[in-house]
Amino acid sequence: VTLLEQNPRWRLVPRGQAVNLRCILKNSQYPWMSWYQQDLQKQLQWLFTLRSPGDKEVKSLPGADYLATRVTDTELRLQVANMSQGRTLYCTCSADPGQGNNQAPLFGEGTRLSVL
Amino acid sequence: AQSVTQPDARVTVSEGASLQLRCKYSYFGTPYLFWYVQYPRQGLQLLLKYYPGDPVVQGVNGFEAEFSKSNSSFHLRKASVHWSDWAVYFCAVKPGTGGYKVVFGSGTRLLVSP
Repeated sequence: VTLLEQNPRWRLVPRGQAVNLRCILKNSQYPWMSWYQQDLQKQLQWLFTLRSPGDKEVKSLPGADYLATRVTDTELRLQVANMSQGRTLYCTCSADPGQGNNQAPLFGEGTRLSVL
Repeated sequence: AQSVTQPDARVTVSEGASLQLRCKYSYFGTPYLFWYVQYPRQGLQLLLKYYPGDPVVQGVNGFEAEFSKSNSSFHLRKASVHWSDWAVYFCAVKPGTGGYKVVFGSGTRLLVSP
């Protein structure tokens, strides 16, 4: 059963151009949604966790700038700008971090970004 | 802050042999620990999860892991490796008292020889 739907699955991004990613949650049991990046060396790094509609956060990391938005209870977005190296962005979902034993992030299929 | 070390970047095992992938974590409180597998060109799949309780946890496809507080370890094991286990394996740690940031190790690539 697919918990998360990410799109696009792959995008070639001209240098200097921004790209918008979308993630749709299919199971409301896991409302804590996050973004992780995986670099070309396969290193995984947490970027953001957003729980409530309207939440927004920005972050700059080596190789890209990010703006994350929780649009609705089921939709999370990520804008990636100034990307200089390719990477894969994963959307995840998990249960309430203060309760229970379903706190492991569950991953979507990812969006692979390459720089043109 | 928590951290995870996977000391072996690559492990080669013969098909049918047993496997252990090492993971050491650093966290002062009670950790939640996870193992994930990533097959080529796919996302990460959760193999197993540890929450405070029985130190040996069972996962999918015959994998198990053992938590050791004294050694700060959470090693992954499998009694008999199959060629389809060829993948990258990630160990991860999360604070047990709330918080949502999960820190991943650098991964161990498992190669299975015939």
